[in-house]
Amino acid sequence: GQNIDQPTEMTATEGAIVQINCTYQTSGFNGLFWYQQHAGEAPTFLSYNVLDGLEEKGRFSSFLSRSKGYSYLLLKELQMKDSASYLCAVRDSNYQLIWGAGTKLIIKP
Amino acid sequence: DSGVTQTPKHLITATGQRVTLRCSPRSGDLSVYWYQQSLDQGLQFLIQYYNGEERAKGNILERFSAQQFPDLHSELNLSSLELGDSALYFCASHLESEQYFGPGTRLTVT
Repeated sequence: GQNIDQPTEMTATEGAIVQINCTYQTSGFNGLFWYQQHAGEAPTFLSYNVLDGLEEKGRFSSFLSRSKGYSYLLLKELQMKDSASYLCAVRDSNYQLIWGAGTKLIIKP
Repeated sequence: DSGVTQTPKHLITATGQRVTLRCSPRSGDLSVYWYQQSLDQGLQFLIQYYNGEERAKGNILERFSAQQFPDLHSELNLSSLELGDSALYFCASHLESEQYFGPGTRLTVT
């Protein structure tokens, strides 16, 4: 079957760095997405990786290793507004998105 | 603003009733996806339409149905509603890569 694993919850301190991991087993691979979702709001797109390596976008970076079925989202200089759920999703061989359950990130002052 | 619109924003109804949720994709996007998200749960993919045709089906109950019209807007019909159907319902559209989500419809079944 297809499976995406992320930690359920993480806690970090304002100003610090946090890494949210995602491992996946899917039928084929056509890209991995990270989304941010604040409580009660719609998910918003953060990043897309299709090749191995690191993609940097401001305070957020995303890394992919296809051979290991592994990705991480790195958030630097954490701000209180970064408190949200972070969703990992993989596009499979049928170009369907398989979603992880999300990681709830709690930022403490 | 993602460019995806959904109506209504909130809906409160009773068990056994039927409701229709509406979604308009971003201009130029041919695909519409419907998702259900119960409180503190992950996104559950329900169904996808592409240019009026059903493209993929997820965990959609038989009581639920959807369609996409020639103008590309889509409707999700939920019938014989149960308390457990209370959730946020999102639609999303995409053209090439990432999906863009609408603001969602919060359905409360009492």
